[in-house]
Amino acid sequence: KNQVEQSPQSLIILEGKNCTLQCNYTVSPFSNLRWYKQDTGRGPVSLTIMTFSENTKSNGRYTATLDADTKQSSLHITASQLSDSASYICVVSHISGGYNKLIFGAGTRLAVHP
Amino acid sequence: NAGVMQNPRHLVRRRGQEARLRCSPMKGHSHVYWYRQLPEEGLKFMVYLQKENIIDESGMPKERFSAEFPKEGPSILRIQQVVRGDSAAYFCASSSQTEDTEAFFGQGTRLTVV
Repeated sequence: KNQVEQSPQSLIILEGKNCTLQCNYTVSPFSNLRWYKQDTGRGPVSLTIMTFSENTKSNGRYTATLDADTKQSSLHITASQLSDSASYICVVSHISGGYNKLIFGAGTRLAVHP
Repeated sequence: NAGVMQNPRHLVRRRGQEARLRCSPMKGHSHVYWYRQLPEEGLKFMVYLQKENIIDESGMPKERFSAEFPKEGPSILRIQQVVRGDSAAYFCASSSQTEDTEAFFGQGTRLTVV
């Protein structure tokens, strides 16, 4: 069964600290993996998209890694800010019926405290 | 270029009424996806449409739910005879192609059934 599991479910950190969010998936065949940020009450916004051949991709203070062999990805946030408080969603793109189907993880709720 | 527009942002319906949710994709996008997000849960795929075609409706409940994306105008997600369990946030995303392209999300419609 195609699944995306994220951990931890929730996380509280102090402003300025770093953190790492995990994503494990069993989706096959794999097309790409995306990390989205969803602020409360708003739609998800893409942070990174990684294909099979990419190991690391950065977007400002966000760095995503991908190990396609172990089917694991992580999102590292450096020098956290209060505005980083949001849900972070790992999404794996899966070719099904000739088109890209997105399989969503349940997300990690991050709270950054001053 | 406006983003994905969903309306209304908030919708209150009494049990048994009909709910119509609208999604205007980004300019140039011909692929639309609908997702449902229950409180404290992740996004769940409902349906994928191209202009005048339903490509994948495997996530749609068998009854009361329908979706369309006409040649002209927005995509419509229609829920007939709403029940309290339909209360959720409904997100629409659009993209221009099916593979390795960004899917942009709207801000969602929050449906409350009273």
